[in-house]
Amino acid sequence: QKEVEQDPGPLSVPEGAIVSLNCTYSNSAFQYFMWYRQYSRKGPELLMYTYSSGNKEDGRFTAQVDKSSKYISLFIRDSQPSDSATYLCAMTETSYDKVIFGPGTSLSVIP
Amino acid sequence: DADVTQTPRNRITKTGKRIMLECSQTKGHDRMYWYRQDPGLGLRLIYYSFDVKDINKGEISDGYSVSRQAQAKFSLSLESAIPNQTALYFCATSSGIGPYNEQFFGPGTRLTVL
Repeated sequence: QKEVEQDPGPLSVPEGAIVSLNCTYSNSAFQYFMWYRQYSRKGPELLMYTYSSGNKEDGRFTAQVDKSSKYISLFIRDSQPSDSATYLCAMTETSYDKVIFGPGTSLSVIP
Repeated sequence: DADVTQTPRNRITKTGKRIMLECSQTKGHDRMYWYRQDPGLGLRLIYYSFDVKDINKGEISDGYSVSRQAQAKFSLSLESAIPNQTALYFCATSSGIGPYNEQFFGPGTRLTVL
C-alpha cells in the first residue's frame, strides 16, 4: 500500500462547478497537510496548508482534514479555467521530516 | 528572476552516458531536494541536503548521486543513465522555518534516456 493515495483522474468539469479532490494516507503520525498546484510545464507551488483535523478556507478553496479516517479533501467552488492544473496532496509529520506527496489529480475546467 | 533554477530544461541522452543536472537557488534556503516525477507515481524523493555538509538518501537513490557545492547549488548525477530514468526531475528548496516545510520548486528538467 502506498503511503499516500490519490485518484489520478483526469477530472473534467464545466466552468462554475464545485470540484472535490481527495487523498487517503496510511501514516497516522502525519500532522501537517498541504495541497500543491502544478501547472503544465511548471514546478508545483503550495496552494493551501492545514494542521491536524479541521477545515481551512481561502477564497474559493477549502481544505478539509479528517485524521480519524486518514482522509483529506480540497474543494474548489466556482471553478475557473485557470484552475486547470494537477493538484498534489502532501503531508509531513514535522518540519524536520520529509514531505510525502500524493501522485496528483489532473483537473481540467472547461469554459 | 526565478528563485530556483534548473539546467538543462530538456535533455536527451543515450543509455550508459553520464548526466549531470544542476540546481541553483537565490532564496537563501539551507535545505535542498531532488525529486523525480513519473505519471501515476507522483513526486518521489531522490536525495536531500539540510546544509552544505549534509547529504541524505531519499526513497529512490539507487543509480543517482548528488553534490552540494555551496548553499545555493545542488547537483544530481546519473553515473550511467538507463531508460527507466526517463522522467521529469525537480529541484526544490525549503527554509526549515515553520511547521509545513514548504517546498519551493524549480521549473523541472525533462530527461529522456534512449
